[in-house]
Amino acid sequence: EAGVAQSPRYKIIEKRQSVAFWCNPISGHATLYWYQQILGQGPKLLIQFQNNGVVDDSQLPKDRFSAERLKGVDSTLKIQPAKLEDSAVYLCASSLDGVGFYEQYFGPGTRLTVT
Amino acid sequence: GEDVEQSLFLSVREGDSSVINCTYTDSSSTYLYWYKQEPGAGLQLLTYIFSNMDMKQDQRLTVLLNKKDKHLSLRIADTQTGDSAIYFCAEKTNDYKLSFGAGTTVTVRA
Repeated sequence: EAGVAQSPRYKIIEKRQSVAFWCNPISGHATLYWYQQILGQGPKLLIQFQNNGVVDDSQLPKDRFSAERLKGVDSTLKIQPAKLEDSAVYLCASSLDGVGFYEQYFGPGTRLTVT
Repeated sequence: GEDVEQSLFLSVREGDSSVINCTYTDSSSTYLYWYKQEPGAGLQLLTYIFSNMDMKQDQRLTVLLNKKDKHLSLRIADTQTGDSAIYFCAEKTNDYKLSFGAGTTVTVRA
């Protein structure tokens, strides 16, 4: 079974530029998550999708971050404009469903450096 | 501050047991998890325990849960060099969100 795919793996941009990350979840997984992992911290949930609807985006800085999951499969996360504090690894995860125990499978992440 | 707290570093000799500790704050947590993260990789679920259990064993891994003290531990028996990684404790609360600790970096020395 193919895992969660993310691209690019690394990205370096200057502050005030924009950037987009892409995630392809495991086939058949209804729930998709984007996490931000700052160096030395645990992952923090940014947004959760159930199919193509948003379940939770309470931690997403909506003035600069946006995410979509068209057709309930792939997802993109965008930052515009980027700030220095956005430097982090952005992890995408998916699960069969968002309730109960369903294991979350994580992708390898995109490491973003904002200079 | 973090709702889930862990010590930051652990150094252990190859072949010894490792014990990683974690405390959490939400008494309504339904599941508690241990994830492993190797350099450049995403998180991999190692094991989990349901909140009505106090112990779970899975090959070299033993999870102990003290619900009264909100304390969770992961013991790795016969630690190997491949066990060097960052280990994250996480709790799943009633709203089904995962809340992670900052991670414990385990270094296995020969």
